[in-house]
Amino acid sequence: QVQLQESGPGLVKPSQTLSLTCTVSGGSISSGSYYWSWIRQPAGKGLEWIGRIYTSGGTSYNPSLKSRVTISVDTSKNQFSLKLSSVTAADTAVYYCAREILASGFCWFDPWGQGTLVTVSS
Amino acid sequence: SSELTQDPAMSVALGQTVRITCQGDSLRSYYASWYQQKPGQAPVFVIYGKSNRPSGIPDRFSGSRSGNTASLTITGAQAEDEADYYCNSRDSSDNHVVFGGGTTLTVL
Repeated sequence: QVQLQESGPGLVKPSQTLSLTCTVSGGSISSGSYYWSWIRQPAGKGLEWIGRIYTSGGTSYNPSLKSRVTISVDTSKNQFSLKLSSVTAADTAVYYCAREILASGFCWFDPWGQGTLVTVSS
Repeated sequence: SSELTQDPAMSVALGQTVRITCQGDSLRSYYASWYQQKPGQAPVFVIYGKSNRPSGIPDRFSGSRSGNTASLTITGAQAEDEADYYCNSRDSSDNHVVFGGGTTLTVL
């Protein structure tokens, strides 16, 4: 059974770059027709899709974050990563990684990592 | 990009039926998927596609779509169904994802 686990600093200073890694266990990140996504959730608010990567390296990003986001994959480590530059307090959130399944007419996310809280503060 | 709109809060009496809706232009072209999130936990998907339930999700959960509105119906709500529910779909560009703002369901 595939499991995902986020890791990275829990505190980032304003204007710096937030960096998180998602480690996939229980299966190869390269197997199957899956995408690998990042999603965030500010405290008490809803979910926001940040972007996805395919193991070939192709990416898609939320237009509202596109100028600041980079998602990459390291298939040798079974990991994918998120970098979000020029962070502000508005980027404080729980960050989730998730496997995304794209089908004709719909998509869904399963499984999800447990989430990691990133706080932007000096 | 597209937006998905959900009622912020709903309530249902124990054992009764509740329909949680999600509206958006993208739903005319794409099915919604639905997630349940309990406090302090990651979301768990409960419905995907036309009305498919992953294994382990009770059959009291079902999904439907009409026009630009997707619905998650819980038939015979249980106390453990009290949670936040989110919808998502592919957006009109076909390349991105949108989430609804979430509905907090209270079981009375």
